[in-house]
Amino acid sequence: ILNVEQSPQSLHVQEGDSTNFTCSFPSSNFYALHWYRWETAKSPEALFVMTLNGDEKKKGRISATLNTKEGYSYLYIKGSQPEDSATYLCASPGGSQGNLIFGKGTKLSVKP
Amino acid sequence: DTEVTQTPKHLVMGMTNKKSLKCEQHMGHRAMYWYKQKAKKPPELMFVYSYEKLSINESVPSRFSPECPNSSLLNLHLHALQPEDSALYLCASSQGSTGARTWGYTFGSGTRLTVV
Repeated sequence: ILNVEQSPQSLHVQEGDSTNFTCSFPSSNFYALHWYRWETAKSPEALFVMTLNGDEKKKGRISATLNTKEGYSYLYIKGSQPEDSATYLCASPGGSQGNLIFGKGTKLSVKP
Repeated sequence: DTEVTQTPKHLVMGMTNKKSLKCEQHMGHRAMYWYKQKAKKPPELMFVYSYEKLSINESVPSRFSPECPNSSLLNLHLHALQPEDSALYLCASSQGSTGARTWGYTFGSGTRLTVV
C-alpha cells in the first residue's frame, strides 16, 4: 500500500513569516500529487494537482514544487496571514481504482 | 452547483441506535467515496461507489452499510456502532473513479460522529 508522509505535523508561525512543509511519497509508479487546504469545519479545498517532475505551481502567496525522482513535494507560503491557518493535506493516487491515499496533514497556525 | 453536501454536520448516537449519514452532489460525478478520519490520522478510505455500484469496500465492519440510491446520492447507514467508531466521516466525489487520479476530489465538510 502506498505510504504518503507529511512533515511537520504542526507549525506555528507569526504573521508575515514565510513557511514551507513537505510531502513524501513513493517515487515508483508515480501518477500525480494533490494538495488540499482544509479549514476547520469546512470542506477540504483543492489547491494544486502536480504531475510533472520539476513542476512548480502558484496560487497567490502559495506555491508548490514537485520532485518525482526523489519522491517529495514542497508547499510554500510567502508572508503568512492568519487566514492561512488550516491543515494542508497531500494525497497521491494509490488505490486499485485511482482512489487517493492521504498524508496526516500539516496543521498551520498563523498568529497575528 | 460545485458542492458536496453532507448531513448532518454533527451526530451523537448510542450504541443501540440506527442512524444514517447523507451525501449529495449535483456535478454529474460518477464516483463517490466515504472516508473516515480520526484525530491526527490521515483520512482512511472506507467505500468507493463507481457508477452507482460498490467497487471498493476496505474491509469495513458490517455495522457500516453504504448505499447509493442514484448517481447524486450516497448514504452511510450506521447500526450498533462502538465508541471507537467516533470520528469525522467525509464524503467525496470525482469525475469517475479513475478521474480522481487527474482531477482529485470534491469534498463535503464531513459529519462529526460521536458514539456514546
